Amino acid sequence: DQQVKQNSPSLSVQEGRISILNCDYTNSMFDYFLWYKKYPAEGPTFLISISSIKDKNEDGRFTVFLNKSAKHLSLHIVPSQPGDSAVYFCAASGSSNTGKLIFGQGTTLQVKP
Amino acid sequence: DTEVTQTPKHLVMGMTNKKSLKCEQHMGHRAMYWYKQKAKKPPELMFVYSYEKLSINESVPSRFSPECPNSSLLNLHLHALQPEDSALYLCASSQLGASGRNEQYFGPGTRLTVT
Repeated sequence: DQQVKQNSPSLSVQEGRISILNCDYTNSMFDYFLWYKKYPAEGPTFLISISSIKDKNEDGRFTVFLNKSAKHLSLHIVPSQPGDSAVYFCAASGSSNTGKLIFGQGTTLQVKP
Repeated sequence: DTEVTQTPKHLVMGMTNKKSLKCEQHMGHRAMYWYKQKAKKPPELMFVYSYEKLSINESVPSRFSPECPNSSLLNLHLHALQPEDSALYLCASSQLGASGRNEQYFGPGTRLTVT
């Protein structure tokens, strides 16, 4: 049972345009959500997070939106750059704060020059 | 400083060998994690240490043995591994607190090949 789903395995965007990566979750006990970026043969890099008490968090070119009623979050990258080409994972954690993160399957973003 | 270091970067070992993976962080984080990642898959949690005590073992086979010597160090001892254990092994650390925030910072990983 996948509690965190990224339904698009890949996304291709032109440089300078907006990239929108989507993530859905099923567990209403999740209260903290994160996005990670991963290059091949490297560890994931933390990008941005959002608490369930907010609906938007912005950090430079990256904005995460949370729609709790739809159990949906999205990551917007504006403007997209070729260096953004990587695999993006969304992750969720629950209020029990065990430290456990539940990851989605990842979306491979390609930004074309 | 959000750096987690891992050694070695690459490791090739036979099925009868004993080896160890090492991880270090100096961010004052009190939670440390071991993950396993196969190609094109998300990281798969193996162990969680909270305040240097093992708090989560995700039913990992006993051929993997974690150890947390102090709050900055985390080891993963390997013995009698199988070829299917070949993967990228990732260490991560995070703060622990009542807020529920759980930004985990990952190391670069150890690429393990079991022959």
